[in-house]
Amino acid sequence: DTEVTQTPKHLVMGMTNKKSLKCEQHMGHRAMYWYKQKAKKPPELMFVYSYEKLSINESVPSRFSPECPNSSLLNLHLHALQPEDSALYLCASSQDRLLDNEQFFGPGTRLTVL
Amino acid sequence: AQSVTQLDSQVPVFEEAPVELRCNYSSSVSVYLFWYVQYPNQGLQLLLKYLSGSTLVKGINGFEAEFNKSQTSFHLRKPSVHISDTAEYFCAVSDGSYQKVTFGTGTKLQVIP
Repeated sequence: DTEVTQTPKHLVMGMTNKKSLKCEQHMGHRAMYWYKQKAKKPPELMFVYSYEKLSINESVPSRFSPECPNSSLLNLHLHALQPEDSALYLCASSQDRLLDNEQFFGPGTRLTVL
Repeated sequence: AQSVTQLDSQVPVFEEAPVELRCNYSSSVSVYLFWYVQYPNQGLQLLLKYLSGSTLVKGINGFEAEFNKSQTSFHLRKPSVHISDTAEYFCAVSDGSYQKVTFGTGTKLQVIP
């Protein structure tokens, strides 16, 4: 199984809502990532988890809260988002090896904040 | 710090013609280089990667890239494109800090029938 799955595919939420994005992989990877991608832009790294511990937070606002319950799952909890947070949110995973940073990406969740 | 420059935002090419997508990088340390493809409304898929060894790297779907250290380039090529190659292509660099990859701004390849 070389797939990263993300749910939901689409999400529309208001600025006062609380929602969560879910990502799952069963490749035995020990590093997992959240990226944000605006239209016609490259993915921007948000968070990295390594061995279920948060290792990189790219100064992301606290209205985004990541969680890694186990080595296969990665969640992104959303609260009080702004319209400018509307984007494609991509999850990725990779083996935790220094020289090989091939990342496997999920299809993304397209988020619209009204 | 590392960075990637993809000078061409769009490249139109006729079907069955060759194509080259350009990528230049800068880094103060040894680099690892990647090309990813993103089809509309999908995530990214790895086309090929350079970690070490031979400077000519072959990837999936008939793509190849050549690492040129003196010119700090990693251009992507395909001898004959298909309609299905229409997509956004991202060059990316990692300095070996294995958790962090920097992506270029992307090149949209449009294959014309």
